[in-house]
This record gives sequence, C-alpha cells and structure tokens, in this order.
Amino acid sequence: QSVLTQPASVSGSPGQSITISCTGTSSDVGSYNLVSWYQQHPGKAPKLMIYEVSKRPSGVSHRFSGSKSGNTASLTISGLQAEDEADYYCCSYARTSTVFGGGTKLTVL
Amino acid sequence: QLQLQESGPGLLKPSETLSLTCIVSGGSISNSSYYWGWIRQPPGKGLEWIGTTYYSGGTYYNPSLKSRVTISVDTSKNQFSLKLSSVTAADTAVYYCARQTGIDYYDSSGYDYTRDAFDIWGQGTMVTVSS
Repeated sequence: QSVLTQPASVSGSPGQSITISCTGTSSDVGSYNLVSWYQQHPGKAPKLMIYEVSKRPSGVSHRFSGSKSGNTASLTISGLQAEDEADYYCCSYARTSTVFGGGTKLTVL
Repeated sequence: QLQLQESGPGLLKPSETLSLTCIVSGGSISNSSYYWGWIRQPPGKGLEWIGTTYYSGGTYYNPSLKSRVTISVDTSKNQFSLKLSSVTAADTAVYYCARQTGIDYYDSSGYDYTRDAFDIWGQGTMVTVSS
C-alpha cells in the first residue's frame, strides 16, 4: 500500500484539461513544499515533470502545472495531447524518508 | 550531460543478496549539490523509494527495507551501490538509480540542506528472484 493516495486512472479527450490528486498527511505533503511529479511511459524510466509543488524543469511543457492545498497536491495537464498518455506518480519529502504515490494511469480518449 | 547506468546480476535465488552498482558519467558524484538514490518498481506496480545517499556517506532508507538495505558511495570510481539482503520473490522489480537534487530548506525546525526531486534517472535494470 502506497503512502500517498492517487486515483488509479483518469481520462480526457484531446484538448481538454485533467487533474490528478495526491493525498498525503501532515507528515509529508502537508508539511513540506517538496512535492514532485513524474511521467512514465511503458518500458521507460520516469521523467521529472514538476518539482517543489509547482516548478517546471527546463524543457517540460507549460501545459503541466502543479499545486498544493493542505495534505493534497495536484497535477494539472491542460490541452491534452496523445503523447500525454502515461502513468503519473507523485512523490513527497518526509523528513528522513521519501514517499511515492501509487500512480495514476492517464488515458487520452 | 550526466548519465546514470545500473549494472548487476539479473537473476537471484531466494535468500541471496542483491548487489547493484550505478555508474555516474558526465559529472562528479562528489558534487555537493546532489544526493543519489535507488528506486524500484515491481512488474505492473508503482514506484517504491529504497534509499538515498550523499557523497560524504550520509544515508536515508525506506523504513520497510531498512533492516536489509545498505547504500554506499565510491567517489574514486564515481559510482554508488545498493545491497539488499535475504531477497524473496517480492523483491523482483526493475531497479532504478537516480540523482536527487538538494535544496536549502527552512521550516519551523530551522535550516537544513535536504533532498528534493529525482531529476535524472538511469534506464533501470530488471532483477528477478526465483528458485
């Protein structure tokens, strides 16, 4: 059982926006602005998409954005494209530990 | 640019010790701005953090694996390693090494230089535990 809770799946049509939630506790997401999000295509290594809740690494599309409220972080993808279909994982600093969410499969209809 | 490459045996028997090495190229493992971590992913399942180390030797481990895990750094070879003892079929997974950025962090407890996101990943190596 993963420490951070994500929906198992979300879907959207091309051009639409979707949001993936990531719920933790006051010991991780709620206490630190050190939440990151990763995109993973089948058979590939994860790729960093968002760090420190809402910052985008160089080269990541502006269509990806992150936010946090209380113990829940969120990843929003706007203007969905076929290439966005992948698994997405959230991750949080938790003092002496690091915790991942169970992952969300995004399907672009 | 910096690259990471995992290496090690792909097949183990139950009770054996898993040993993997991550070779860092295109940059120094002794760069004080970064930490170095191991993450695994069982077939068809999600990511699980195993542990993280710093070039000077400080380590952080997943509490659920801590009794079986050792992560070490060899700065002379620019690599870091993972050892997981007493493996079972449940340890079958793709094992990734990754660079973890560091950050100056201030909170109610004061100042700390600590671990941020995993920004560069190796391609992963499959390890199967089977008799």
